[in-house]
Amino acid sequence: GENVGLHLPTLSVQEGDNSIINCAYSNSASDYFIWYKQESGKGPQFIIDIRSNMDKRQGQRVTVLLNKTVKHLSLQIAATQPGDSAVYFCAENIPHSQAGTALIFGKGTTLSVSS
Amino acid sequence: GAGVSQSPSNKVTEKGKDVELRCDPISGHTALYWYRQSLGQGLEFLIYFQGNSAPDKSGLPSDRFSAERTGGSVSTLTIQRTQQEDSAVYLCASSLNIGDQGAFFGQGTRLTVV
Repeated sequence: GENVGLHLPTLSVQEGDNSIINCAYSNSASDYFIWYKQESGKGPQFIIDIRSNMDKRQGQRVTVLLNKTVKHLSLQIAATQPGDSAVYFCAENIPHSQAGTALIFGKGTTLSVSS
Repeated sequence: GAGVSQSPSNKVTEKGKDVELRCDPISGHTALYWYRQSLGQGLEFLIYFQGNSAPDKSGLPSDRFSAERTGGSVSTLTIQRTQQEDSAVYLCASSLNIGDQGAFFGQGTRLTVV
C-alpha cells in the first residue's frame, strides 16, 4: 500500500551542525505535507508545512524542501541545538476514502544532538 | 481550553475489559483524528471525523474498536474486550481545515492492558 516513510531511523549530530531529515512518500495525489516534532512523553508538535505547489518553505531555523519528481521531502534544521533532540515525523495529506483526506504519518527519525 | 485535551492521561486495564478514551478538540475545529502509537513506533491512523460527514473508519484495526463524535465536538474512542496488543499511546488531533494547517495534538492516553 502507499505509505510515508523515512530513510533513516536515527540521526546523531553535534550541537551547531545543520541537520537534514529525509522522508519519502509514494502517493502522487498528496497535496499537503507537514513535519512534526515529538518529544518524549508528549504529543507531536507542528513544526512547518508545505503545499504541493511549492518546493521550498522556510521558518525559524527550519526549511522544508519538496521534490515532487522523486516524491521526497526533507527537513533542514540550522545550527542544531540540544533542545532539538526528538523524534521527527513527516505526514502527508492524501485523498482517503469517504471522509475526503487523511493525514498519514511516517515512522519517524530520532534526532540526537550532543554538546 | 486552548489545546486538545485527552483523558485519562494513563489507563491500566485488565485484559477483556472495555475502555473509553476521551478527546476534547480545540473549539471550532471541524476535523478530528485518532491515532495509535506503539512504543518507539510511528503514528498509526485509526479514524477521522470531518464535520458532519461520515467518519473514515478505514484505520480501525478490528471491530473491537469504535469511535463517535457527539455534537461535532467531543470524541470518544472505545475499545471492547481489550487485548495486550492494544497497549499503546492513543493520540487525538484536531484541525480547522487540514488542507490549510496542520493538526494539533493532545498529550495522548497511555493505555496498558495487563
